[in-house]
Amino acid sequence: EVQLVESGGGLVQRGGSLRLSCAASGFTFSSYNMNWVRQAPGKGLEWISFISSSGSSIYHADSVKGRFTITRDNAKNSLYLQMNSLRDEDTAVYYCTRDLYCGGDCYYFDYWGQGTLVTVSS
Amino acid sequence: SYELTQPPSVSVSPGQTARITCSGDVLPRKYAYWYQQKAGQAPVVVIHEDSKRPSGIPERFSGSSSGTMATLTISGAQVEDEADYYCYSTDSTGRVFGGGTKLTVL
Repeated sequence: EVQLVESGGGLVQRGGSLRLSCAASGFTFSSYNMNWVRQAPGKGLEWISFISSSGSSIYHADSVKGRFTITRDNAKNSLYLQMNSLRDEDTAVYYCTRDLYCGGDCYYFDYWGQGTLVTVSS
Repeated sequence: SYELTQPPSVSVSPGQTARITCSGDVLPRKYAYWYQQKAGQAPVVVIHEDSKRPSGIPERFSGSSSGTMATLTISGAQVEDEADYYCYSTDSTGRVFGGGTKLTVL
């Protein structure tokens, strides 16, 4: 059974840093691209970061570029998100998602964790 | 970057057909996908590649795409279909979600 379990969320001061982790199990982690998606309280979904299976390709949304860094450790079946210079608008539930490549131009998130809440306060 | 636009809300009575639209300039050349998110839960994909339904998703869910608009149709909506629905698409360097549509079935 595929499982994605996020951890590391919590309360952090504005301008502070936090590192999220996602422990993956039930599939060959090193074969899949991975992403982080977030959802502010009462708001919609926002994709923020992508990392390829090997870690060689990384993309970030403009809203977090230069502040957040996605990494992975395939030996530990783990995905990470280093978040620096946190702002009030970064308050959200952060989901770890597996990227399914279904052929051609088809990519979507087929498995999601339950999310970890990050609260940025002054 | 690009945007996907959805209506904020759609309301139908049980048994009626619900249609949720998603518009975006990228849709003529990229697939649309649809996610369902019920309160307090992680999203679940209900349609991928414009019109394909994953196993386990009821047949009343269908999708279509033409030009700059994709549509999620729920034929004979049930009370349990009440949820937020998000369209989603991709490009070479990122992914984007629509703003979401709250479907009310009552």
